Amino acid sequence: KAGVTQTPRYLIKTRGQQVTLSCSPISGHRSVSWYQQTPGQGLQFLFEYFSETQRNKGNFPGRFSGRQFSNSRSEMNVSTLELGDSALYLCASSSGQGIGAYGYTFGSGTRLTVV
Amino acid sequence: AQSVTQLDSQVPVFEEAPVELRCNYSSSVSVYLFWYVQYPNQGLQLLLKYLSGSTLVKGINGFEAEFNKSQTSFHLRKPSVHISDTAEYFCAVSGFQKLVFGTGTRLLVSP
Repeated sequence: KAGVTQTPRYLIKTRGQQVTLSCSPISGHRSVSWYQQTPGQGLQFLFEYFSETQRNKGNFPGRFSGRQFSNSRSEMNVSTLELGDSALYLCASSSGQGIGAYGYTFGSGTRLTVV
Repeated sequence: AQSVTQLDSQVPVFEEAPVELRCNYSSSVSVYLFWYVQYPNQGLQLLLKYLSGSTLVKGINGFEAEFNKSQTSFHLRKPSVHISDTAEYFCAVSGFQKLVFGTGTRLLVSP
């Protein structure tokens, strides 16, 4: 079956702009999470959605937001981009309601470069 | 709160040699532990996971890991590495509706 699909793969934006990233989970998966990966901070949790509800949020400013649709597809938005937002953004989906036992399947990521 | 420490940022090794990548975790509750691998310009791929039961967990590509509760460790091992194992490896512990990752260990396999 198809894996987790993230679009676009690469993105270049200018400081101050906003950006929307998309994630389609594995069919049947209802939990979608987002992570930011940078060389300096490593993998940082952004937020997790289950059945259109945000259940957990990481320690990121309000410029970072997300949502999940009824078909489990998810988007994340970053407004007023800063140079430090340049990162690989990873989406992951899970089949279960509890992350503990199921782990995540990750997409290939969206590489965002802010200039 | 959960946390993960990967003790080595980089591990160089020759092809066909054994390797161990170290991971220590901290958690106040029962844990689920994971190892992921990341190849250049790729996402994370699950190597193996410990949920319960046998402390020796076998994963894909010949990797295995041993859960040691008393030492709060979950070290990853492979008896004989290949050039294709060159990648970054992440240890993770389950948190509340999220994974908490270590900083990663870059495995460099040379001929």
